[in-house]
Parts: sequence; C-alpha cells; structure tokens
Amino acid sequence: DVKVTQSSRYLVKRTGEKVFLECVQDMDHENMFWYRQDPGLGLRLIYFSYDVKMKEKGDIPEGYSVSREKKERFSLILESASTNQTSMYLCASSPRDHYNEQFFGPGTRLTVL
Amino acid sequence: AQSVTQLDSQVPVFEEAPVELRCNYSSSVSVYLFWYVQYPNQGLQLLLKYLSGSTLVESINGFEAEFNKSQTSFHLRKPSVHISDTAEYFCAVTGGGGNKLTFGTGTQLKVEL
Repeated sequence: DVKVTQSSRYLVKRTGEKVFLECVQDMDHENMFWYRQDPGLGLRLIYFSYDVKMKEKGDIPEGYSVSREKKERFSLILESASTNQTSMYLCASSPRDHYNEQFFGPGTRLTVL
Repeated sequence: AQSVTQLDSQVPVFEEAPVELRCNYSSSVSVYLFWYVQYPNQGLQLLLKYLSGSTLVESINGFEAEFNKSQTSFHLRKPSVHISDTAEYFCAVTGGGGNKLTFGTGTQLKVEL
C-alpha cells in the first residue's frame, strides 16, 4: 500500500515562529503536493513539486515556501506563522503518469496562537 | 482554468435510503474527474474516477458516478447508504495531462438511524 506520512497530527505554534511541516512518501512518486483544508473552502493547493528540487506555486502560496531535497520528502515552511494560517494541512503524492490519482497523508492540524 | 461546484454543503439521510451528491465542473479542455472521501480524522481516499470509456464508474463499496458531458456533471449516487458512509465527499477535476487537481468545497454526508 502507498503510504504518505506527515510528521505531526497536531501542532501548536506562536505567531511569528518558523514552522516546518514534513511529508514522506514511500512509493517513489514523482509528484508531491501541499494543500490546506478549511471548512467551506475545500482543499486549496499551496505548492507542488514534480521532481527533486523543482517546485511550482499553487493557488495560495503567499506566506509559505517548500523544499524538496529528496524524492520521498516534501517540506512545507511557514516563515513567520500568523493566526490566519491556522488550518488543516494535507500532503499528497502521485506517480508522474498515473492520471493524477493522488494519495493523501492523514493531515496536520496546525493552530497558531 | 477549471472549477468545481458542489452545491450541497451538507446532506442528511436515513440509513438504507438512496443518496445523490451533486458535482458540476467547468473546463475548457477534456477532463478527468474524481470523487474522494474523507472519514473523520483521516486524510482523503480516492473513491472512484472517470478517465475515459464508460461514463458510469463504480466503487467497491456501492457508490457510482456518471460523467455527463452535456450537463458538465459528475454526480455521486448510492442506492442504499450505511452509517459507515458518514464522511465528507470531495469532487475534483483536472485537465488532460495536467498535474493539478481542482477540488470542490466538499459535501458532508451524515447518515442517521
């Protein structure tokens, strides 16, 4: 089975802190994605990566950055956390040519105080 | 650009009753369509997908969806729901060859005894 793991299920940080969310997949997928999920807004794409060291902005990249140094790991970075970044963050991965079926991690619920 | 509309944010239904969750999309290119399900406190799982061929696609747990190009719809149906179907359901679309999924805002299905 494809497995996508996220470093924390719950995280509480203070305004202004630098926050790292880690995602690891074990199926050698080329594509990896970071979404945030908010009630009534569904999933919104923050960033995605289609190869090591490659990244593209999604629909809401402001306030976030990403890093992909290894194929299996995709990190989301909040340079200076703000209260409006309190949300559920979901990581996903997919094979390059598998018609976009994405496999999701369990999510990290981040609260910024 | 693509978009997905799920008009119903919540759908309450009694156990063993039929249910339909509506999804409409817009796209300027040919599309691939997906339904994902999110059980409480979990990540998203693929429920079913339409890539090509038969316009009626089925999942292993009794859900089905029909791709209707003229109405730009991909509604999800189940003839008899179970308590365990209580979850949030997301419709998603991507243009052929693209890496990015566009999600709807989700429909919360609540099955009651």
